[in-house]
Amino acid sequence: EDQVTQSPEALRLQEGESSSLNCSYTVSGLRGLFWYRQDPGKGPEFLFTLYSAGEEKEKERLKATLTKKESFLHITAPKPEDSATYLCAVQAGTGNQFYFGTGTSLTVIP
Amino acid sequence: GAVVSQHPSRVICKSGTSVKIECRSLDFQATTMFWYRQFPKKSLMLMATSNEGSKATYEQGVEKDKFLINHASLTLSTLTVTSAHPEDSSFYICSAADRGQPQHFGDGTRLSIL
Repeated sequence: EDQVTQSPEALRLQEGESSSLNCSYTVSGLRGLFWYRQDPGKGPEFLFTLYSAGEEKEKERLKATLTKKESFLHITAPKPEDSATYLCAVQAGTGNQFYFGTGTSLTVIP
Repeated sequence: GAVVSQHPSRVICKSGTSVKIECRSLDFQATTMFWYRQFPKKSLMLMATSNEGSKATYEQGVEKDKFLINHASLTLSTLTVTSAHPEDSSFYICSAADRGQPQHFGDGTRLSIL
């Protein structure tokens, strides 16, 4: 069964304290892995798409990497405004469906 | 680019009322639209997938007669919650995608049934 697991479930960081969020997946025929940021009461905001192992994408303090089994979202010197829930999703097989993880709730303390 | 507008953002209504939620892709053509439900502090639960001009494909356990989905054009999909009851209260989110592109999400609709 296709599965996407995110860890940790929650993460509290001091401002400036770098860390990584993990998204591991077991799917057949990966077509893309997607990272989203969701603020409370809002829809998810698209961050990155990764298509193949070894690929990396960067945006400001965020960097996403992909291997054959997992993806990491690295946050360098986070700021309080980076506090949000980060979701990963994979698209696999021939359909359009995304499989979402349960998210990591990140809190950055000033 | 890739803006998805969802309306209304919040609905409060009495039990038995039917509620329609609209999802529009403003600057791209959405060949596929998705409807999700999200419970507090939980991830997104896919309810159904719809392709323009076709009947929606519902996930297991989602009542198609309860949650009516229409995707009449490449920029508009609607979700109608028929005869809503308190257990239907939730946060409903739509997303839209063009072929091979990431899903882009609306800002959700908070539905409260009294």
